[in-house]
Amino acid sequence: GAVVSQHPSWVICKSGTSVKIECRSLDFQATTMFWYRQFPKQSLMLMATSNEGSKATYEQGVEKDKFLINHASLTLSTLTVTSAHPEDSSFYICSGSGPAGYNEQFFGPGTRLTVL
Amino acid sequence: LAKTTQPISMDSYEGQEVNITCSHNNIATNDYITWYQQFPSQGPRFIIQGYKTKVTNEVASLFIPADRKSSTLSLPRVSLSDTAVYYCLVGSPSGGYQKVTFGIGTKLQVIP
Repeated sequence: GAVVSQHPSWVICKSGTSVKIECRSLDFQATTMFWYRQFPKQSLMLMATSNEGSKATYEQGVEKDKFLINHASLTLSTLTVTSAHPEDSSFYICSGSGPAGYNEQFFGPGTRLTVL
Repeated sequence: LAKTTQPISMDSYEGQEVNITCSHNNIATNDYITWYQQFPSQGPRFIIQGYKTKVTNEVASLFIPADRKSSTLSLPRVSLSDTAVYYCLVGSPSGGYQKVTFGIGTKLQVIP
């Protein structure tokens, strides 16, 4: 299957700082990328959906000014957690979906964010 | 988006066949059914996908009845490494992408 990478795999930061997480589709063009957040022992919660070159669509309750998403190319999407706080500590997972008719999402390995 | 219902947890001994059933009563005509596996601190991994009847690949089988309101993931002869959370997802391509909602998943514990 197609491969999606994330960088970094884990990050620890101080409260108030911003953190950028990269998501790359390595061997396919991801026309759409998704960002999820997963708290311990809970399911994945969709945060936002982004199409290449367009603004992201955020799920209800997700602050778009806090979680900045950029999908500048068909192989790269970034999630920036601005002014991070301890409650933002979570496991962030991205996924990519190919062109029309492509029914599958390919998930990255996730990024563990810990805000002190 | 179609909502899915799965058992929260299941236990199985090594070498047994495991069947995990998922209910999706409001599945839409264009929806596909996809199963993912997730290990702790890893992203979900695709297992199998189907639209109707039966689909089989090298790791699992997926059984979908005619009304498509449920589906069953079958894992033959499980091993300890199959201990994971299994998610049933229902969704369809829309405008070129598929947006799905993760349920709580089924935590499978394989016992030696």
